[in-house]
Amino acid sequence: SAVISQKPSRDICQRGTSLTIQCQVDSQVTMMFWYRQQPGQSLTLIATANQGSEATYESGFVIDKFPISRPNLTFSTLTVSNMSPEDSSIYLCSVAGRQGSNQPQHFGDGTRLSIL
Amino acid sequence: DAKTTQPTSMDCAEGRAANLPCNHSTISGNEYVYWYRQIHSQGPQYIIHGLKNNETNEMASLIITEDRKSSTLILPHATLRDTAVYYCIVSDGGSNYKLTFGKGTLLTVNP
Repeated sequence: SAVISQKPSRDICQRGTSLTIQCQVDSQVTMMFWYRQQPGQSLTLIATANQGSEATYESGFVIDKFPISRPNLTFSTLTVSNMSPEDSSIYLCSVAGRQGSNQPQHFGDGTRLSIL
Repeated sequence: DAKTTQPTSMDCAEGRAANLPCNHSTISGNEYVYWYRQIHSQGPQYIIHGLKNNETNEMASLIITEDRKSSTLILPHATLRDTAVYYCIVSDGGSNYKLTFGKGTLLTVNP
């Protein structure tokens, strides 16, 4: 399976600031996703990162708060904007080879974000 | 996506088989059953998936009932490193390919 690297692995940020998280894959993948895992909770899908077009956001998530870029088939970024303590979570990137193929998604180890 | 129901927690003795059940009574005909696990401080790890036939790989076996309304993940010889939260998810893997994670089952393997 693909090797997925996320940077930073963790960070502590001040409220009101923004942080960009990077997701790099060692091979070309069709689909990339961003998830959030709040403390003690399960994972929730934020959006699907689409190459060459705007990301597709899930209900409750908006582009102004979580802008996403996907310039090519191996890289994506998620920005958490104007952060508040409620944004303290683990943010995870996942990838899948081909839409409609039923290939499983594979996850990075996530970015642990704490907002003071 | 169809919903799944899993026990909140289970215990297993080291070296014994761990059998984790999952109910997915509203699964659609084109939806697969995926199993992931999450060990503390790590991202979810893919284990196995299947449509209707039983599946086996180097990590586990997946048994899906004939009516596809439930499944069981089997770890044949559990080790302490298998202690994790196990998620059973159904998804069609198609144009709406997204994974909806429930609360999963916390499997604790005891020495």
